[in-house]
Amino acid sequence: DAKTTQPTSMDCAEGRAANLPCNHSTISGNEYVYWYRQIHSQGPQYIIHGLKNNETNEMASLIITEDRKSSTLILPHATLRDTAVYYCIVRVRYSGGGADGLTFGKGTHLIIQP
Amino acid sequence: SAVISQKPSRDICQRGTSLTIQCQVDSQVTMMFWYRQQPGQSLTLIATANQGSEATYESGFVIDKFPISRPNLTFSTLTVSNMSPEDSSIYLCSVEGLAGGSNTGELFFGEGSRLTVL
Repeated sequence: DAKTTQPTSMDCAEGRAANLPCNHSTISGNEYVYWYRQIHSQGPQYIIHGLKNNETNEMASLIITEDRKSSTLILPHATLRDTAVYYCIVRVRYSGGGADGLTFGKGTHLIIQP
Repeated sequence: SAVISQKPSRDICQRGTSLTIQCQVDSQVTMMFWYRQQPGQSLTLIATANQGSEATYESGFVIDKFPISRPNLTFSTLTVSNMSPEDSSIYLCSVEGLAGGSNTGELFFGEGSRLTVL
C-alpha cells in the first residue's frame, strides 16, 4: 500500500468544521483513500472512503484532489465525541471477496476543544 | 455491517504461558485479519486468515509465535505463544463487509483483547 502523511495532532473548536489533511503522493490508480478513526480504548471505526470523486455520508465528507495526491476529511460540526486518532489509508479494494489488510500509519490525533 | 465479538476482552498472563483469543463474526466472511496495537502505537497487521488454508503472516510475525485457526467462515482464533512482557498489547480482529458476494470496502473491527504479560 502507498504511504500516507498526516499531521501528528490538530485542535478544533467544538461546533466548527474539522479539516484533516492527508498526503498520498505515490497512490496508484487502483487504490482507494480510506479514513478510519480510533476513539480511546475502542477498535477502529470506518468513516468513509473514495477513489477520485468527493464523497459524503452521515459522518463526514471526503475531498480528493484532482491529481489524487492528497485528500481532506471534513467533520462538518465537530463535537467532543469526535476526539480521536484519525487514520488516512490508501488501499486496493477488491470486488469478489478477497481483501488485503490495512496498513496503518500514525494518524492525526484530533482534539476537539469545548 | 458486521458485528465482531472478541474473547477475552482483557487478560493478565504470566510469562511463558500461551493465550488464545477468539473472534466471532455475525456473518460469513472470506478473509479475517488479526492486528496488534502496542501501547501508544498504531495498529500493525499480524496475519490474514482465509478459511480452508493456512494464514498468511506479515513480515516480523511467524506461525510458531502466533498460530491462527480459521475453522469456518464466521470464526477465527489467534494464539499468542510463550508470552513475554513485550507481547503486552491489544489484539484486534477485523473483517471486510460483504454484500451480495461483493466487498463493500468497509472494514469492521472488534473491540480488541487487551493482554498484559507479567
